[in-house]
Amino acid sequence: NAGVTQTPKFQVLKTGQSMTLQCAQDMNHEYMSWYRQDPGMGLRLIHYSVGAGITDQGEVPNGYNVSRSTTEDFPLRLLSAAPSQTSVYFCASSLGHNEKLFFGSGTQLSVL
Amino acid sequence: GQNIDQPTEMTATEGAIVQINCTYQTSGFNGLFWYQQHAGEAPTFLSYNVLDGLEEKGRFSSFLSRSKGYSYLLLKELQMKDSASYLCAVRDKGGKLIFGQGTELSVKP
Repeated sequence: NAGVTQTPKFQVLKTGQSMTLQCAQDMNHEYMSWYRQDPGMGLRLIHYSVGAGITDQGEVPNGYNVSRSTTEDFPLRLLSAAPSQTSVYFCASSLGHNEKLFFGSGTQLSVL
Repeated sequence: GQNIDQPTEMTATEGAIVQINCTYQTSGFNGLFWYQQHAGEAPTFLSYNVLDGLEEKGRFSSFLSRSKGYSYLLLKELQMKDSASYLCAVRDKGGKLIFGQGTELSVKP
């Protein structure tokens, strides 16, 4: 099993550009989530999903969209990137919402 | 609102014992997790508490008191490789996992 796979590992965007961070898991996990991590702020929840076809907002959802068309995939879309979205992004999944999270390796995003 | 507090940083000596505290106020409670994160890496799971009391796993133990909104992570026989950030996270009533800011632990020889 590959676990949780995130791509890309690094990305540089210009203000106003759009992009999608990919996340896939092969553990048949129902629960998936996206976090951003900034110095001094810890991990903050952006969006999460408790199963295919179901998504919900976390603590900092503005500027991000998600969809969950399959159990395996949970992409995160930035529609119009802003410098405030410069951060390290982690995708994570768990078997159920009360189970431990498995994290992807992270994406370092810089918006200029 | 949701609030999870932990000390920002701690320093300890190799071979010693260190206790990292976490207090929380969240919308309901469905369990508390501790994660370890080395610099430049993803967090990895350490422990999970949902009932009051102590959970022991090798050199690491975690304690929970739900009535006090309090947990601690105890690390024994510290090793240099234990230098990392330790993250406390609470699952709220709605199922969201909310993290504290993390405690940066430095282990010195």
